Amino acid sequence: DTAVSQTPKYLVTQMGNDKSIKCEQNLGHDTMYWYKQDSKKFLKIMFSYNNKELIINETVPNRFSPKSPDKAHLNLHINSLELGDSAVYFCASSQDPRGPTEAFFGQGTRLTVV
Amino acid sequence: AQTVTQSQPEMSVQEAETVTLSCTYDTSESDYYLFWYKQPPSRQMILVIRQEAYKQQNATENRFSVNFQKAAKSFSLKISDSQLGDAAMYFCASGGATNKLIFGTGTLLAVQP
Repeated sequence: DTAVSQTPKYLVTQMGNDKSIKCEQNLGHDTMYWYKQDSKKFLKIMFSYNNKELIINETVPNRFSPKSPDKAHLNLHINSLELGDSAVYFCASSQDPRGPTEAFFGQGTRLTVV
Repeated sequence: AQTVTQSQPEMSVQEAETVTLSCTYDTSESDYYLFWYKQPPSRQMILVIRQEAYKQQNATENRFSVNFQKAAKSFSLKISDSQLGDAAMYFCASGGATNKLIFGTGTLLAVQP
């Protein structure tokens, strides 16, 4: 059983398109995240949701819109894709929103904008 | 603001030897955790070890152990009896009450047979 799963694993698309990445966790966690890993391997948080509510938005362009239909799912929709959006996007989840706990990561989605 | 610094972009170790990866951090939070994550070529982020800041005892997980120096804000990872499968990018991270992880820039570890 995959704990945190993302689809698709690879996504190649043209500039200006709109795309979505889906994420699901079966760990029963309340908190889910999106992280971005750039070409230099630097990882940075983008969003955090707790039980379907947005709790962290790290000054991400509003072309990026997360959506959480329920606490087990957190999708990322990106409008008007730009070359600079090319990166690996990781979904993650953790158990306790009140305190620091380790995050469990999905396998990542490599987005390439051409 | 939290920051995590890994000053070694690359390290190399012989198989069966021991290697230590360095990490320093800065945080204003009183309650925080520290983590080491491993990212092999498969891209998966794998938790290696975690340390609660309030615990004085250094965490260990089989061949992996940490040297946590709270006053110095240092959190190094020691890998004993290195194996070829240990070759990966290693990220140090800190997590506080905001429940987001702040990552260092990573150390690429090569294991020589």
